[in-house]
Amino acid sequence: SQQGEEDPQALSIQEGENATMNCSYKTSINNLQWYRQNSGRGLVHLILIRSNEREKHSGRLRVTLDTSKKSSSLLITASRAADTASYFCATDAGGNNRLAFGKGNQVVVIP
Amino acid sequence: DGGITQSPKYLFRKEGQNVTLSCEQNLNHDAMYWYRQDPGQGLRLIYYSQIVNDFQKGDIAEGYSVSREKKESFPLTVTSAQKNPTAFYLCASKKRESGYTFGSGTRLTVV
Repeated sequence: SQQGEEDPQALSIQEGENATMNCSYKTSINNLQWYRQNSGRGLVHLILIRSNEREKHSGRLRVTLDTSKKSSSLLITASRAADTASYFCATDAGGNNRLAFGKGNQVVVIP
Repeated sequence: DGGITQSPKYLFRKEGQNVTLSCEQNLNHDAMYWYRQDPGQGLRLIYYSQIVNDFQKGDIAEGYSVSREKKESFPLTVTSAQKNPTAFYLCASKKRESGYTFGSGTRLTVV
């Protein structure tokens, strides 16, 4: 079943601006992960944040996790045209070693 | 270079025909997964395997079958029982407590 739900579904921004996406989930998790998908391609793993972490950085990416609200956010700073893609959150609830994906956020960065 | 390879990239199936999608990885990952993606949708889990000679049904297993005879290989067969097989199919593998590595996908179309 779908666990993560991203909000907003589509985002259009100018190059250089920041892009923020949110994800909510319903059950307890071991970790939450964010992926990027370029059109017609496979998903690329961006970042993993564990349930005992609150914030994590990787280059221009910043992810936060609030387990009390069962939500996460992905911030892309100083966006570039190459950041145009769909972004998915996925939750690992543990046990059976499988992820549940949200429906994705489509981000368009205008040069 | 280590990675995960899906083939073919495009596949056309006639009504009533079985087709097999290939997925091979040289990452020495134990777990492998098959997902289906429909336009504007997230990923839905078809089957997964955590170890050789063992696999479990995901959320939408009806009309599909898999095998896991080798650690490196996890082929997916789309049978004639799958009434709406046109979709983008993604294979992935992972180590425990890490992100997934995805293949580049196979786009299946019924003609």
